[in-house]
Amino acid sequence: KAGVTQTPRYLIKTRGQQVTLSCSPISGHRSVSWYQQTPGQGLQFLFEYFSETQRNKGNFPGRFSGRQFSNSRSEMNVSTLELGDSALYLCASSRGTSGGSADTQYFGPGTRLTVL
Amino acid sequence: AQSVTQLGSHVSVSEGALVLLRCNYSSSVPPYLFWYVQYPNQGLQLLLKYTSAATLVKGINGFEAEFKKSETSFHLTKPSAHMSDAAEYFCAVRRAAGNKLTFGGGTRVLVKP
Repeated sequence: KAGVTQTPRYLIKTRGQQVTLSCSPISGHRSVSWYQQTPGQGLQFLFEYFSETQRNKGNFPGRFSGRQFSNSRSEMNVSTLELGDSALYLCASSRGTSGGSADTQYFGPGTRLTVL
Repeated sequence: AQSVTQLGSHVSVSEGALVLLRCNYSSSVPPYLFWYVQYPNQGLQLLLKYTSAATLVKGINGFEAEFKKSETSFHLTKPSAHMSDAAEYFCAVRRAAGNKLTFGGGTRVLVKP
């Protein structure tokens, strides 16, 4: 079974630009979550999408947005890039069931975004 | 709000020695607990998870963790370190509802020959 894939793996942008990152979940998984990883702040939750609807949202400004398509693939967009947005952006997929047993999240390799 | 504390941002062990990584969580009810490992330039790989079925959880690569409710801890251990264990390890907690993982700060493990 193929794992979570993220494209592109590396990205260099300049301040003020916008960027779109893509995530394809494991087949059969309906939940996609996004995380930002930086040396200073560690791993922080951005948002989660389930069945094309945002189900959870972290504490990030509105410049960070996302969406999910009917095939469960997800994209996240960052507008008006700032230097502090340089980070590894990780996508994780899971079946999306809530309650009962733990719904395990499986992570992709990440997209390394550098903002100059 | 939930929080996760990993004691020690860096741990150095000799090959063949015990690996012990500490994780404490704050939660009013036992949450779901996870340990992930991250190798350089890679994403996170699940090592093991606690789902209330058993307090001692065995994971991949010889790792195990014990859930202790009285101590709100979920420490990760491996009896004998291998060079390939050099990586960064993250403890994470998730509530019963919702799919948001809250991570600890991570512990980077260095294995000395």
